Amino acid sequence: GAGVSQSPSNKVTEKGKDVELRCDPISGHTALYWYRQSLGQGLEFLIYFQGNSAPDKSGLPSDRFSAERTGGSVSTLTIQRTQQEDSAVYLCASSVRGTSTDTQYFGPGTRLTVL
Amino acid sequence: AQSVTQLDSQVPVFEEAPVELRCNYSSSVSVYLFWYVQYPNQGLQLLLKYLSGSTLVKGINGFEAEFNKSQTSFHLRKPSVHISDTAEYFCAVILRGDSSYKLIFGSGTRLLVRP
Repeated sequence: GAGVSQSPSNKVTEKGKDVELRCDPISGHTALYWYRQSLGQGLEFLIYFQGNSAPDKSGLPSDRFSAERTGGSVSTLTIQRTQQEDSAVYLCASSVRGTSTDTQYFGPGTRLTVL
Repeated sequence: AQSVTQLDSQVPVFEEAPVELRCNYSSSVSVYLFWYVQYPNQGLQLLLKYLSGSTLVKGINGFEAEFNKSQTSFHLRKPSVHISDTAEYFCAVILRGDSSYKLIFGSGTRLLVRP
């Protein structure tokens, strides 16, 4: 596709369940980011992947959060034992080389609601 | 610690009027500066960015912003707004030297254009 795609667009889950969120970056983009947008915290960085380098996980809020990127393309963000405070819109972005001058292109997000 | 401040949470304006959305940042290192727009239920779209050179930056949809180093500001302006400009606007920075090139966002300003 032409842009970053994310699935599902909406996810409702019960507290304590695990969820997986998927991101398909723009073809050929080597860098991939996950951000979270919530009412209380605004937009915040979660994790960054660049090629085969070790990811920057400094933004993950707890060890219940993890992410992987297979084959340098698709990424999955996993939240284990979801809590109500995990409710947010999870945004994925990709860029060509992952440098400071590259534009980050965002997907439409996955809205997660934890009941 | 670095931060981005958008003082106005909401800015109402009449159609065809000029608008300025304010952004100030604080950082101990130099930064790159960005403005993103988010339309309802969509991801973020880059409006413009300042990397170096001329402090007046022109972006898409008739928006422009001026980098003022002494005031650590990067205010967004448009001389005449349209109804379609109604959206949330986010100012963001990337710290020079940050190896993950993550965006640090302000809290956003909702622009409401009235007929």
